[in-house]
Amino acid sequence: NAGVMQNPRHLVRRRGQEARLRCSPMKGHSHVYWYRQLPEEGLKFMVYLQKENIIDESGMPKERFSAEFPKEGPSILRIQQVVRGDSAAYFCASSPPSSGGYNEQFFGPGTRLTVL
Amino acid sequence: GNSVTQMEGPVTLSEEAFLTINCTYTATGYPSLFWYVQYPGEGLQLLLKATKADDKGSNKGFEATYRKETTSFHLEKGSVQVSDSAVYFCALSPNSGYSTLTFGKGTMLLVSP
Repeated sequence: NAGVMQNPRHLVRRRGQEARLRCSPMKGHSHVYWYRQLPEEGLKFMVYLQKENIIDESGMPKERFSAEFPKEGPSILRIQQVVRGDSAAYFCASSPPSSGGYNEQFFGPGTRLTVL
Repeated sequence: GNSVTQMEGPVTLSEEAFLTINCTYTATGYPSLFWYVQYPGEGLQLLLKATKADDKGSNKGFEATYRKETTSFHLEKGSVQVSDSAVYFCALSPNSGYSTLTFGKGTMLLVSP
């Protein structure tokens, strides 16, 4: 069973361009979480999605950021008109359908975004 | 809201030394507690967890005990190895609702031969 896949692993963009980050959850997992890790900081929650639904986006910046998890295909985190402050590592995690209590999250290797 | 505070690093130790990384938390209710490890250039791996008070999580020689009275979950290892060099994150998740993780800032551990 393959783990959580993220691509690209490294992404370089110039200011004003768009960045698209992809996350394929583990097989059988229907919950996806996105976290951002700024330099020398811990991970900060951004958004939690289930198939075709955004459950909690309380950690997402109000502008330029969006996320989706379609019925088919990977989850996408999209950043429009990137700025230097968006440079960070973006991690995706997935978990199985909820059975009550905590469901362990499995993390991908991350996408390191650099904005020039 | 929920928060996690862990000791700042880097923590520098010689091989076979005893390790403690302190972690305290603030949360409503009774969260689950975790330690994750991040090796250079990689994603996070779950190291150990505890889901209720007085539980002890353990893995690969690492241990942590869920102390509700002191709201702590300190990570310990009796004898560290060079291969333990990594960044360690303490985290919590509520046991009700969905399972968003709240992380501490991370503590870098450097072990020299």
